[in-house]
Amino acid sequence: GQQLNQSPQSMFIQEGEDVSMNCTSSSIFNTWLWYKQDPGEGPVLLIALYKAGELTSNGRLTAQFGITRKDSFLNISASIPSDVGIYFCAGINNTDKLIFGTGTRLQVFP
Amino acid sequence: GAGVSQTPSNKVTEKGKYVELRCDPISGHTALYWYRQSLGQGPEFLIYFQGTGAADDSGLPNDRFFAVRPEGSVSTLKIQRTERGDSAVYLCASSRDPRDSKFFGPGTRLTVL
Repeated sequence: GQQLNQSPQSMFIQEGEDVSMNCTSSSIFNTWLWYKQDPGEGPVLLIALYKAGELTSNGRLTAQFGITRKDSFLNISASIPSDVGIYFCAGINNTDKLIFGTGTRLQVFP
Repeated sequence: GAGVSQTPSNKVTEKGKYVELRCDPISGHTALYWYRQSLGQGPEFLIYFQGTGAADDSGLPNDRFFAVRPEGSVSTLKIQRTERGDSAVYLCASSRDPRDSKFFGPGTRLTVL
């Protein structure tokens, strides 16, 4: 099925470092969502972006909806051990279908 | 409960058997989605309901897969003649309307032996 291109595929960082990941697509989306998934759990919504150019923060998380509507990024500042998990971007297209990215696996070392 | 719930949490079955997976969406959410997630992959879209009707079933892999939502709330994903390749986590999500944020349940892990 269709998936968004997400990078990097994995990241290994030290506690306290900042993290950045992004998502790109060849087609436009009307909404961008960022999810975190822990092992054995469903994806949990972190941030939702509804307008091109929108920059939204949620605690240590900041995400932006690209001007072209074909990309988005997520930043995590001052990472902590509980940030460990898999992060997925997802976009809602013109047919209201939610398409997921390929995921970024984050590992944080104390 | 306040979130999306799915039952069972785990299902082990034999090749060729029939299985049903259930999803209870958040109360009042009109849109309901089914996704399938294989190990190390992102969730892949299967089908989406708006109310009682399937608005988009383009992600169902073949005619062994079928889903219903007869009263516009609970949904059941049905898989006939299961195959080993059907093994995956099946996720359900709901939203207030199709363009709103989607909230996921914990998933059902299906293992076909």
